Amino acid sequence: GAGVSQSPSNKVTEKGKDVELRCDPISGHTALYWYRQSLGQGLEFLIYFQGNSAPDKSGLPSDRFSAERTGGSVSTLTIQRTQQEDSAVYLCASSYGTVEKLFFGSGTQLSVL
Amino acid sequence: RKEVEQDPGPFNVPEGATVAFNCTYSNSASQSFFWYRQDCRKEPKLLMSVYSSGNEDGRFTAQLNRASQYISLLIRDSKLSDSATYLCVVITGNQFYFGTGTSLTVIP
Repeated sequence: GAGVSQSPSNKVTEKGKDVELRCDPISGHTALYWYRQSLGQGLEFLIYFQGNSAPDKSGLPSDRFSAERTGGSVSTLTIQRTQQEDSAVYLCASSYGTVEKLFFGSGTQLSVL
Repeated sequence: RKEVEQDPGPFNVPEGATVAFNCTYSNSASQSFFWYRQDCRKEPKLLMSVYSSGNEDGRFTAQLNRASQYISLLIRDSKLSDSATYLCVVITGNQFYFGTGTSLTVIP
């Protein structure tokens, strides 16, 4: 596609449920990042994929969070046993290389009730 | 110490004013620098890259001072449409480090 695509755009879930967020990066982009942004706050790094290398998971806040990237393209961020503090906008971004400019998707607004 | 620090503002300026934002970074090994713009409830979008020699794009001028480890963004002749949050972004190694953003409101 022309840009980074994220789905769903909005997700409302109950505390304790699992959720999956999807990101389709720009075709040909080898680097993919997940960030989280709470209302009025800055971007919090979660995880980074680069090609076939092992992902940098240093930003994941707990073991309830995991992500995978299949075939070097689509990525899924999974949050297990969601908590209210997980409520935020989850942004995915991709770039052609490791030091190239980032292109963001429009994000998934997650609300945990 | 945070990797990137920005004055959160808010900056409220009249149309036509000139406004400048600064951002400092902590790692002297940082290799690339950008300004992103984020509108309310939207994703960040690249505004411009920042080079040591300074670069200009219309009403926007970006500067990098490696010795003092800061970058700046100057907006001349502010327009209402410039109202947004401006994010300073620094790349160190493979990581993008985002500032928390500076809020700008241009007032008619």
